[in-house]
Amino acid sequence: EVQLVESGGGLVQPGGSLRISCAASGFTFSSYVMHWVRQAPGKGLEYVSGISTNGDITYHANSVKGRFSISRDNSKNTLFLQMGSLRPDDMAVYYCARGSGRHPVVVLDAFDVWGQGTMVTVSP
Amino acid sequence: QSVLTQPPSVSGAPGQRVTISCTGSSTNIGADYDVHWYQQLPGTAPKLLIYADTNRPSGVSDRFSGSKSGTSASLAITGLQADDEADYYCQSYDGSLSGSGVVFGGGTKLTVL
Repeated sequence: EVQLVESGGGLVQPGGSLRISCAASGFTFSSYVMHWVRQAPGKGLEYVSGISTNGDITYHANSVKGRFSISRDNSKNTLFLQMGSLRPDDMAVYYCARGSGRHPVVVLDAFDVWGQGTMVTVSP
Repeated sequence: QSVLTQPPSVSGAPGQRVTISCTGSSTNIGADYDVHWYQQLPGTAPKLLIYADTNRPSGVSDRFSGSKSGTSASLAITGLQADDEADYYCQSYDGSLSGSGVVFGGGTKLTVL
């Protein structure tokens, strides 16, 4: 079964850091572009970051550029998001999502598999 | 405020047909970038419903269909069922934005009466 399982969310103070992870199974992880998408409580979806199959190209929303870093470990089938200088408006459920691979241009592609999400709370 | 505009809510009775619009501009949908649609049932993760404007992934009911014209796209749901009650999001790319350019609509809540 194709599956993405996020972990590492929790409570962090404003200005703090947190690393969340996404464990992939059921497919050849190293062959897929991967992404993070977040959803603030009661709000819509917001793209956060993406990473190429071998990790050499990354994409970031302006709202997180310079503060967040996406990486992957293909030997462990795991995706990471290192979050720094966290702000209250970063509070959200963070979803890991797989690029479908149907479009050759990463930022034009759909996300065909999603994890269940991990909640990041930013509060004093 | 998203560059892709969706109605906050739509509703319909069981068996009816409803449509959800996603209105953009010349720098996103109007530039012929692909539009994708997602369904998010209450308390769950989003699920891909339509990709590249009109295509359904395997396993998605043919009651769901997508279309695109000019600067807008639409999701149609026929034979409305109670378990279609969910939030629906469109996604595309905007070439005028810095950053990744990946954009989502604000979402539409579908209520089945």
